[in-house]
Amino acid sequence: GEDVEQSLFLSVREGDSSVINCTYTDSSSTYLYWYKQEPGAGLQLLTYIFSNMDMKQDQRLTVLLNKKDKHLSLRIADTQTGDSAIYFCAESTLSGTYKYIFGTGTRLKVLA
Amino acid sequence: GAVVSQHPSRVICKSGTSVKIECRSLDFQATTMFWYRQFPKQSLMLMATSNEGSKATYEQGVEKDKFLINHASLTLSTLTVTSAHPEDSSFYICSARTGGAAGELFFGEGSRLTVL
Repeated sequence: GEDVEQSLFLSVREGDSSVINCTYTDSSSTYLYWYKQEPGAGLQLLTYIFSNMDMKQDQRLTVLLNKKDKHLSLRIADTQTGDSAIYFCAESTLSGTYKYIFGTGTRLKVLA
Repeated sequence: GAVVSQHPSRVICKSGTSVKIECRSLDFQATTMFWYRQFPKQSLMLMATSNEGSKATYEQGVEKDKFLINHASLTLSTLTVTSAHPEDSSFYICSARTGGAAGELFFGEGSRLTVL
């Protein structure tokens, strides 16, 4: 079945760049997403990339997709303490009920 | 962006009672909504897909009679935890998908259920 994996923790210093990685197994994934979850809250969509794209940039966020290796990454430039949260990658396809499969989540801690 | 509202955000109930959680899409119509359960420090586990006007599709291992889902309108889905037990205590999150092939998924704020 589908599987999405992420490293559990990442710690960076304020002002540095953060890179959060994700691997997935479903080759039919059409869209790949990054969500942010702050403590006790729901998920906030940060950005998404269509599977025929290699890169997408949105202000401080850069998403890289290596479809051959089924590897997705999220780079946050100039990381701030407010970026501390759990980041989930997710995949979905255009078929069926558009079910989303979420990764295990990466807890990002930004040190002042 | 689109807004999805969940209510209540926190609920405490006694064992054996039933609890209803509402999920509303405030500024768009959602033919499909999803219900997730999140255990502490873990990812989201998809429980079921709620389809407007038809029965929900449950994921393997999720008890249909335990977690009743009703999607009565294009803007409202409800999850009822029946005969709740302490092991049902969790963070429940709903999401709603905007329409079209490139539809986006927006999440509610989550509902923390504590069963005593």
